[in-house]
Amino acid sequence: KQEVTQIPAALSVPEGENLVLNCSFTDSAIYNLQWFRQDPGKGLTSLLLIQSSQREQTSGRLNASLDKSSGRSTLYIAASQPGDSATYLCAVLLPSGSTSYGKLTFGQGTILTVHP
Amino acid sequence: NAGVTQTPKFRVLKTGQSMTLLCAQDMNHEYMYWYRQDPGMGLRLIHYSVGEGTTAKGEVPDGYNVSRLKKQNFLLGLESAAPSQTSVYFCASSVAGGFSVTQYFGPGTRLLVL
Repeated sequence: KQEVTQIPAALSVPEGENLVLNCSFTDSAIYNLQWFRQDPGKGLTSLLLIQSSQREQTSGRLNASLDKSSGRSTLYIAASQPGDSATYLCAVLLPSGSTSYGKLTFGQGTILTVHP
Repeated sequence: NAGVTQTPKFRVLKTGQSMTLLCAQDMNHEYMYWYRQDPGMGLRLIHYSVGEGTTAKGEVPDGYNVSRLKKQNFLLGLESAAPSQTSVYFCASSVAGGFSVTQYFGPGTRLLVL
């Protein structure tokens, strides 16, 4: 059974700091890995998607890397801002039997607080 | 373009009561999903649908039923609510399955079962 673990569970940093969030998964047979952002009381917003054949994706101040062989991904946030405060979730998409549907398995998230 | 919307936003039920959660998407997506989010458990898939008229069980389907009579709507039903079903429920949709497809999430429904 695929398990997705995120470390740390919570992180508090001063504004302007660069930071790294970690995600690990036990089954390397993934279709892709995605990073989501969740604001309090809100739904999830997709930040970055890395296909299994890719090593990294970048969007603005965010950079996500993927190492399938070691079952790890990192989300790097440069020059953090108070507006980055949210819960960050990683999820892996697995094949699912004979159907074309892929199963998305989530980690428990990292709660990030960026204080001024 | 509203994306994925969920109704209601919040609901309190007594044990044994029934209710239906409605999810609607206006992106013409084929696939739709229902998840529940519990503290320390992450998001877990309840049921999903790969097209109008089709549904399938996810990771935690017991106690729930679903229907997808129209492509844009996905309903989640609780026939006899239990306190263990207290959770935040999220609906999501995607164009289809596949390597580069992401899911778009609704804002969630908070359900409290007393």
